[in-house]
Amino acid sequence: AQSVTQPDIHITVSEGASLELRCNYSYGATPYLFWYVQSPGQGLQLLLKYFSGDTLVQGIKGFEAEFKRSQSSFNLRKPSVHWSDAAEYFCAVGASGNQFYFGTGTSLTVIP
Amino acid sequence: DGGITQSPKYLFRKEGQNVTLSCEQNLNHDAMYWYRQDPGQGLRLIYYSQIVNDFQKGDIAEGYSVSREKKESFPLTVTSAQKNPTAFYLCASSPTLRGETQYFGPGTRLLVL
Repeated sequence: AQSVTQPDIHITVSEGASLELRCNYSYGATPYLFWYVQSPGQGLQLLLKYFSGDTLVQGIKGFEAEFKRSQSSFNLRKPSVHWSDAAEYFCAVGASGNQFYFGTGTSLTVIP
Repeated sequence: DGGITQSPKYLFRKEGQNVTLSCEQNLNHDAMYWYRQDPGQGLRLIYYSQIVNDFQKGDIAEGYSVSREKKESFPLTVTSAQKNPTAFYLCASSPTLRGETQYFGPGTRLLVL
């Protein structure tokens, strides 16, 4: 069965520090993988996606993610976090019929 | 300006009342989706539609109903059978091909009086 696991419910980082949010997936075929960001009370905005090719994917706002098939992972990274990055982050896998399966999210707090 | 609109932003439901959440898109997407979001549970799929006049149940369809009479509209009705409707509801749309991005509306927060 398809599933997405985000093991970290909440992460706190200092402004300017690096960030890595973890995502593990379970899917029988070639995965299509996505990272979204959600500000409080808002909808979801796409950060980046992977469907083939280069396993290191660049996204908006300075984010990147690396697909590692051997580890079934698609971790999101940012070299230097800004206070405006504080939000909820969701990883998702796209399945047949373009249904998405979402992780439970990781809440990011940025301290000055 | 293309996108997805949801209305209202806040909605209050009384006991035994049905309420309808609106979702409209002008992206010319064939597929539309309704998700429910609760704290700590991520997004759970309620219903989805890949084409006009057709829709399928998602993981938590009980107590909800939908219609898809027009390509751009996919309203969700929360019926009185849904005993715990308080949540944040998100509508999304996408092309139907697998791997295409789902685009989300701003959401509707439903509260029970």
